Order: sequence, then structure tokens, then C-alpha cells
Amino acid sequence: NAGVTQTPKFQVLKTGQSMTLQCAQDMNHEYMSWYRQDPGMGLRLIHYSVGAGITDQGEVPNGYNVSRSTTEDFPLRLLSAAPSQTSVYFCASSYPASGRSGELFFGEGSRLTVL
Amino acid sequence: QKEVEQDPGPLSVPEGAIVSLNCTYSNSAFQYFMWYRQYSRKGPELLMYTYSSGNKEDGRFTAQVDKSSKYISLFIRDSQPSDSATYLCAMNEIQGAQKLVFGQGTRLTINP
Repeated sequence: NAGVTQTPKFQVLKTGQSMTLQCAQDMNHEYMSWYRQDPGMGLRLIHYSVGAGITDQGEVPNGYNVSRSTTEDFPLRLLSAAPSQTSVYFCASSYPASGRSGELFFGEGSRLTVL
Repeated sequence: QKEVEQDPGPLSVPEGAIVSLNCTYSNSAFQYFMWYRQYSRKGPELLMYTYSSGNKEDGRFTAQVDKSSKYISLFIRDSQPSDSATYLCAMNEIQGAQKLVFGQGTRLTINP
């Protein structure tokens, strides 16, 4: 009963370093997305994917890259980390849009600190 | 100004009280409205889902949507300490979970 699995749970980076946050889901969901959660700002959409090979930008995409080579995996890459990217990152997945409720299934989050 | 505004609280009430949580929004194209509950250091989970205006009840929880006022509410009756969490409203123009827009979240504490 894994659902959405995110790794790592915690990470500390230095400014300028790069890293990848991993996300995997075992529910055969077509839709996957990445959000960041900051105090007073709520959840903001970074990137999303409606299926393998298809990605698009959300509200706050700058400084992040994504790819979707399989249905199960949706990694988020930080190209050159900045202190402004200190946040809690959530991966979430869902059924396709048609005929389904707005239920996103979230991972437990990855807490990133950039020094 | 954000598309969805939610009072971040924190809100603290005694056990058994009726709790009212609210969101306002500016995008008149929003048709689908959700409430998510997030426990500390966990991911959010869907609590309530409604379409267009009206009320929806599920146990002690009632979701209310007033599209004319661009205002949604979540009421919790007979609140319990286990209801202590952050509650986030979310909205969408289309059916489904694609590109959900979230409010800031309200941190709620129910005191025994």
C-alpha cells in the first residue's frame, strides 16, 4: 500500500548545488505534479504531467526541471539551488481529469534547506 | 493578490465547538471546490469535494459554496482533538485534479 513515495525526506544543500527529488507512484495514475509549500503561501504548483513524455509548467517553474519517462516516476530537478528554494516539496498524483473528482494523492513531502 | 485567499489562523477552539473555515476567490471560472486536511509533517488528504453552489454534508463536516459571492466554507460540528490539522481549500475550473489552486491553509487546534 505504498501510494506516492518521495525521497529524500530531508536534504540540506549549499547555494549553487544541484539535486533531484524523486517521486514514484504505484497507482497507475496518469497525472502527476509537484507543489511547494511555504508559510503564508500555501501550495503552489511547480510542474505537472498528464502522461509519460508530457510535462508542462505550473505557477512557479523557474529553477526547476522535470521529465516523465515512465507512468510511475516524476523526478524534480533543482538546477542550481538558491536559498529561495528552501521549502517543503510535495509530489501528488491523480486519475485523469474526465469523470473523476479533484482528489490528489500526496506523498509525505521532502524538506529542503538551501544554505 | 492571490486567486484564492484563506485566513491562515491559527485558530484554537475548545472540544465540541462548531468550527467555520472560509476561503474567498477571484476567478469566476472556478466550478469545482475541495477541502484538504493536512496533519503535521504529512501530505494533504482530500476531505470534501463539491461542484458549483450548494451544500454537501459528510458526517460532522459540511462544505458550502456560494458562487455569487465567490466564497466557500467548511463547517466542523462537535469538533474533536483529532480534527487538529491544517485545512486547505482548493479549486479548479475543470473537473479533476489538474492544476488545482490552493489557499494558504488554516491551522486549527481543538483543545480537550
